[in-house]
Amino acid sequence: NAGVTQTPKFQVLKTGQSMTLQCAQDMNHEYMSWYRQDPGMGLRLIHYSVGAGITDQGEVPNGYNVSRSTTEDFPLRLLSAAPSQTSVYFCASSRERKDTEAFFGQGTRLTVV
Amino acid sequence: QKEVEQDPGPLSVPEGAIVSLNCTYSNSAFQYFMWYRQYSRKGPELLMYTYSSGNKEDGRFTAQVDKSSKYISLFIRDSQPSDSATYLCAILPYQGAQKLVFGQGTRLTINP
Repeated sequence: NAGVTQTPKFQVLKTGQSMTLQCAQDMNHEYMSWYRQDPGMGLRLIHYSVGAGITDQGEVPNGYNVSRSTTEDFPLRLLSAAPSQTSVYFCASSRERKDTEAFFGQGTRLTVV
Repeated sequence: QKEVEQDPGPLSVPEGAIVSLNCTYSNSAFQYFMWYRQYSRKGPELLMYTYSSGNKEDGRFTAQVDKSSKYISLFIRDSQPSDSATYLCAILPYQGAQKLVFGQGTRLTINP
């Protein structure tokens, strides 16, 4: 049981490039979400999904895109990377949205130069 | 006003000390309060949660909610170097809410 798996662990992008951060969970969780973590800002919600085919915006969605075609996978796309998107990105899943326990991946450290 | 505010620290204490970590929140209707622990270069993990008001104890850790002052606290007794981590408070406004809202996190170091 791997839990929540994020790839890659580290990435450096040039301004304007696009990329996809991968997230997969093997716990059959309905609810998945993406956060970014910046110094002094805590975890901020980017996008979330309450089930396959259903996504919605969080607190800081601009510049990011998501889709949820399967229960297991929830990729995050950066459309045109900007230095302001330099951050640590965490994917999380919960059994259902009312759960107080979210299971987090190990994070992806992204630098945009 | 942010829904939940947390002093980012950092906080450094000697081994064996009692540690108090605190957050304030904005809406008295919030019902679920959590503490997550995050070790360096790892994802956060749920440490404890409380519903509504009162205390909850788990070993050396005690979570406390004071709804009258909208204040949540985490106490660590007999602190150990292995407790060194960032501690994040979080709220779930109500059961069925769409999202957890996190505080900024407090970086704690326990010195041997």
